[in-house]
Amino acid sequence: NAGVTQTPKFRILKIGQSMTLQCTQDMNHNYMYWYRQDPGMGLKLIYYSVGAGITDKGEVPNGYNVSRSTTEDFPLRLELAAPSQTSVYFCASSSVGRTEAFFGQGTRLTVV
Amino acid sequence: AQTVTQSQPEMSVQEAETVTLSCTYDTSENNYYLFWYKQPPSRQMILVIRQEAYKQQNATENRFSVNFQKAAKSFSLKISDSQLGDTAMYFCAFKIPENSGGSNYKLTFGKGTLLTVNP
Repeated sequence: NAGVTQTPKFRILKIGQSMTLQCTQDMNHNYMYWYRQDPGMGLKLIYYSVGAGITDKGEVPNGYNVSRSTTEDFPLRLELAAPSQTSVYFCASSSVGRTEAFFGQGTRLTVV
Repeated sequence: AQTVTQSQPEMSVQEAETVTLSCTYDTSENNYYLFWYKQPPSRQMILVIRQEAYKQQNATENRFSVNFQKAAKSFSLKISDSQLGDTAMYFCAFKIPENSGGSNYKLTFGKGTLLTVNP
């Protein structure tokens, strides 16, 4: 019963470094999402995917890239990390016929 | 575009009492879903309750219930018999169905209400 799994849980990056946040779901969901949560704010959508091979930008896509080569995996790539990307990142998934989204446990990223 | 507004950044309640969290939203859609998610200090996002817009009956889940006023675009959460474990950030969220024919089916969140239950 893994659900949505994100790795790592915590990470500290130096300015200009790159990294990939991993997200895997085992529920065969078509839809997957990446959100970021800044202090005192709700979640803002970075990118989403409606199925393997299809991705689209959300509200705050700048500085990020995604890919969806399989139904299960939806990694988020940060290129040239900046302090403004310090945040908590959530991956989520959902399917047609199930109204709610299921969330991973989040990744706390600090860029220094 | 959809917007979700939670006007109470913080609230507190005594254990065993009742508290209501407010949420309003703006949309031109007729068919949509509304949710309340709970985020405890563990950071996990936990679904508390959902409401389908086409249902007039207010959703209930044990101690949690909603007051859904579609015309007023209001969706408040009532927590009865508050428990210490209810202390968390609560997010109101909105979504149109994935099979609605459009592409704007992402979850849109409010900024959250931090609820503290005091012993």
